[in-house]
Amino acid sequence: DVKVTQSSRYLVKRTGEKVFLECVQDMDHENMFWYRQDPGLGLRLIYFSYDVKMKEKGDIPEGYSVSREKKERFSLILESASTNQTSMYLCASNLGAGGRDTEAFFGQGTRLTVV
Amino acid sequence: AQKVTQAQTEISVVEKEDVTLDCVYETRDTTYYLFWYKQPPSGELVFLIRRNSFDEQNEISGRYSWNFQKSTSSFNFTITASQVVDSAVYFCALNDYKLSFGAGTTVTVRA
Repeated sequence: DVKVTQSSRYLVKRTGEKVFLECVQDMDHENMFWYRQDPGLGLRLIYFSYDVKMKEKGDIPEGYSVSREKKERFSLILESASTNQTSMYLCASNLGAGGRDTEAFFGQGTRLTVV
Repeated sequence: AQKVTQAQTEISVVEKEDVTLDCVYETRDTTYYLFWYKQPPSGELVFLIRRNSFDEQNEISGRYSWNFQKSTSSFNFTITASQVVDSAVYFCALNDYKLSFGAGTTVTVRA
């Protein structure tokens, strides 16, 4: 079974802190994604990566950065956490160059609260 | 601009009724892929079905069926004879260059 594992299920951070959300997949997928999920807005793409050390902005990249030093790991970084970044964060991965035709597998999510 | 629109926010039905979920998408690409995902109360998104832009043949898989119409950019999804376990949030997604999701439709099936 494909496994996408997010390092934390729940996280509480203070405003201004630097926050790292980690995601690891074990199926050698080329593509990895970070989304945030908010009520009524669905899943919004923050960043995605089609290869190691490669990243592309999604629809809402402001206030976030990412790192992909190894194929299996994709980190989301909140440089200076703010209360409007309180949300559920979902990591996903899928297979294939471009990966448009294969389904994405999701982690269990990290519920981040910024106080 | 929203690339994937799910106009229905919530649908509530009684068990055994059919449920149809609407999805309209927007893309300039000629090659793209459409998906439906389910998010049960446990939270983890689960892949349900996939369709590519070259294949407009509609299909049935068990209690699930889908209707893809390129002319209207719609990819609708139907659950036949709904069950309580079908209660979840359903997301339509488009992958042209990046994987974009709609806002989701919450389906509640009452016993």
